[in-house]
Amino acid sequence: EAGVAQSPRYKIIEKRQSVAFWCNPISGHATLYWYQQILGQGPKLLIQFQNNGVVDDSQLPKDRFSAERLKGVDSTLKIQPAKLEDSAVYLCASSPRTVMNTEAFFGQGTRLTVV
Amino acid sequence: TQLLEQSPQFLSIQEGENLTVYCNSSSVFSSLQWYRQEPGEGPVLLVTVVTGGEVKKLKRLTFQFGDARKDSSLHITAAQPGDTGLYLCAGSFFMEYGNKLVFGAGTILRVKS
Repeated sequence: EAGVAQSPRYKIIEKRQSVAFWCNPISGHATLYWYQQILGQGPKLLIQFQNNGVVDDSQLPKDRFSAERLKGVDSTLKIQPAKLEDSAVYLCASSPRTVMNTEAFFGQGTRLTVV
Repeated sequence: TQLLEQSPQFLSIQEGENLTVYCNSSSVFSSLQWYRQEPGEGPVLLVTVVTGGEVKKLKRLTFQFGDARKDSSLHITAAQPGDTGLYLCAGSFFMEYGNKLVFGAGTILRVKS
């Protein structure tokens, strides 16, 4: 079974520039998460999709971050404009929507450096 | 505010020693998961505990879920250098729309040979 795919792996941009990250979840997984992970810390949930609908974006800085999940499959996360404090690893994860299986499967992440 | 408090934040021990990592919250979870993350990779699930008081063993790792489903511990016996990594606990809430997964800050474990 193919895992969660993310691209790019690394990105360096200047502050005030824009950047987009892409995620392809595991086939058939209804739930898709985007997390932000600062170095040495735990992942912080930014946004959660159920199929193609947003179910939780309470911690998404909506003045600069946006995300969409087209047709309930792939997802993109965009930052516009980027700030220095956005430097982090952005992790995408997917999960089947069942009571019995709550495991989140993560991609390798995109490491963003804002200079 | 952190929903899940993990302790210690950092642990450096010698090979062969035992250790325990704690995960505490004031919230009740549907289930609690432990993940391990290596540099440059995403977290990988080690175990899910669901029932209050549940104990699960995975080779040298023992996981326990508190009776009230608010806290958990991870105990490693005879740690090895290969156990080095970031250990994360994650509380799962089963919502009407799916599972919400909230992570603790993590424990960085370094096992020296």
